[in-house]
Amino acid sequence: DGGITQSPKYLFRKEGQNVTLSCEQNLNHDAMYWYRQDPGQGLRLIYYSQIVNDFQKGDIAEGYSVSREKKESFPLTVTSAQKNPTAFYLCASSPDRNSRNEQFFGPGTRLTVL
Amino acid sequence: EDQVTQSPEALRLQEGESSSLNCSYTVSGLRGLFWYRQDPGKGPEFLFTLYSAGEEKEKERLKATLTKKESFLHITAPKPEDSATYLCAVLPYNQGGKLIFGQGTELSVKP
Repeated sequence: DGGITQSPKYLFRKEGQNVTLSCEQNLNHDAMYWYRQDPGQGLRLIYYSQIVNDFQKGDIAEGYSVSREKKESFPLTVTSAQKNPTAFYLCASSPDRNSRNEQFFGPGTRLTVL
Repeated sequence: EDQVTQSPEALRLQEGESSSLNCSYTVSGLRGLFWYRQDPGKGPEFLFTLYSAGEEKEKERLKATLTKKESFLHITAPKPEDSATYLCAVLPYNQGGKLIFGQGTELSVKP
């Protein structure tokens, strides 16, 4: 089956730890995105990548880092510098690097800081 | 500043009671407008893309329409399984492919 997978579904982190969220797609999409969703707020863009080995900051990139070494993978690291990391994280991909087309979302990872 | 506002924030309907959700937007130039459905604890599910004013798309009990300032998601004779949060997003010309999302409308349909 084609689609976007995210792992883990739930993640617990102690303060001061870095954690990495996985996002994989087998849709052969060029563009990939990471969003953060908080209760009562719209999705906010963290980072996006339109091509392998290139990525751009979104609106709330501070405290996060990404890599795009392969077309199908776009992992997100939440660093200890992120002051309020508890949230629902969503990965998305789009077939067109110019993003004229719709974005398709994965199932999400819920991160909780203990 | 590009902005998307959805209303109402929450909507409660009886089964069979038709209604509409609104998505108002201000962008310098619209490349596309997208509607998504999101169930609790899950990722958004793509519903429709609209590209130009006057365009309409339908899927089962849902119909999306677009004007130069807003989009409506019409729900005809809703069923309890239509209960979800509906998200609207716009793709401006000057944002390098970045979607701007509204805060969503939480729809509850009671039997």
